Amino acid sequence: SQKIEQNSEALNIQEGKTATLTCNYTNYSPAYLQWYRQDPGRGPVFLLLIRENEKEKRKERLKVTFDTTLKQSLFHITASQPADSATYLCALEKGTGTASKLTFGTGTRLQVTL
Amino acid sequence: EAGVAQSPRYKIIEKRQSVAFWCNPISGHATLYWYQQILGQGPKLLIQFQNNGVVDDSQLPKDRFSAERLKGVDSTLKIQPAKLEDSAVYLCASSVQGNNEQFFGPGTRLTVL
Repeated sequence: SQKIEQNSEALNIQEGKTATLTCNYTNYSPAYLQWYRQDPGRGPVFLLLIRENEKEKRKERLKVTFDTTLKQSLFHITASQPADSATYLCALEKGTGTASKLTFGTGTRLQVTL
Repeated sequence: EAGVAQSPRYKIIEKRQSVAFWCNPISGHATLYWYQQILGQGPKLLIQFQNNGVVDDSQLPKDRFSAERLKGVDSTLKIQPAKLEDSAVYLCASSVQGNNEQFFGPGTRLTVL
């Protein structure tokens, strides 16, 4: 069966360090992979999208990699700040246009301390 | 630009009662989604609309859940009758047709007692 795995344990890191979150999947051939941020009591907020033919995508302090051979995406936050503390969700997208459908992982909670 | 609006924000009901949630997407967004997010899990797609037509409702428990988007703008999701396991946050999202980025509302937290 199809599965998306994110580390369910919280990731605790010190301010200024690089946070690396992992998203592994099985029995999928996603066209795209997206990362979202979710704060308590709020809906997810889109961060980055990476296509299956792209290896890496960057946006300010964020970097996403996508390895379709390993079936894994890594999400990096460099120079992390306490304001980066949140739950980060990966989502796999199959199909295109109106037929595309997002399936979310369970999310990993990141805690950045001073 | 106004975001996705949802109401109510919180709802507490007893099992076997009915409940309805409302969503107003971002203006101009043709695609609207309803997700269920159980505590500690990621959002799970219940139904996807393109304008006023259903694109995907494969994970909607149709014996108790229904949704409509009659005029292709706002949408309602109804549960009748509710079960204890329906306790969750119900998220509405919208997107521009052909664009993969989804914009989420704040959600409605449902507690079924």
